[in-house]
Amino acid sequence: KQEVTQIPAALSVPEGENLVLNCSFTDSAIYNLQWFRQDPGKGLTSLLLIQSSQREQTSGRLNASLDKSSGRSTLYIAASQPGDSATYLCATAGSGNTPLVFGKGTRLSVIA
Amino acid sequence: DTGVSQNPRHKITKRGQNVTFRCDPISEHNRLYWYRQTLGQGPEFLTYFQNEAQLEKSRLLSDRFSAERPKGSFSTLEIQRTEQGDSAMYLCASSLVHGTGRFSNQPQHFGDGTRLSIL
Repeated sequence: KQEVTQIPAALSVPEGENLVLNCSFTDSAIYNLQWFRQDPGKGLTSLLLIQSSQREQTSGRLNASLDKSSGRSTLYIAASQPGDSATYLCATAGSGNTPLVFGKGTRLSVIA
Repeated sequence: DTGVSQNPRHKITKRGQNVTFRCDPISEHNRLYWYRQTLGQGPEFLTYFQNEAQLEKSRLLSDRFSAERPKGSFSTLEIQRTEQGDSAMYLCASSLVHGTGRFSNQPQHFGDGTRLSIL
């Protein structure tokens, strides 16, 4: 059974800092890995999807990497802004875009 | 693309009552998923459909829970005889899977959820 762990659980940084969020998973036989953002009381917004054959994906100030063999992914946020404050969740899908298995998330606060 | 729509946004009910939630997926999406999220946790899978067929149900989905997607478009999730432990955010997501036996690597798109509070 897949288990996804996110470290740290919470992170507070000053505006402008670059930061890294970590995600690890126990079963390397994934189909893809997604990073989501969740604002309080809201649903999830998809940020990046990395296919199992890919090593990284980039969107604007966000860069996600994937190392299947070690069961790890990182989300790099450059030049953080207060608007980046949210909970970031990673999730893995098995073959066939099956239901996602989520970590508990990292709650990010960017202080102006 | 109007996104995934869920109704109601909030539901407050007394223990023992039945509740029903609705999810309207992105129009061309053939996969529809239900997840449940409690405070401080990531979402947990409940069940999913491809078109009108329910393909998988989690062990979390007790016999008090039932989900339907009668015409392969919108879906409903019903909880009968609600209990305190059912209080959570219920999230719906949809995605597009191409062809028979071929699976596209497309992201799941989530709605804003229905927050259920049991008094």
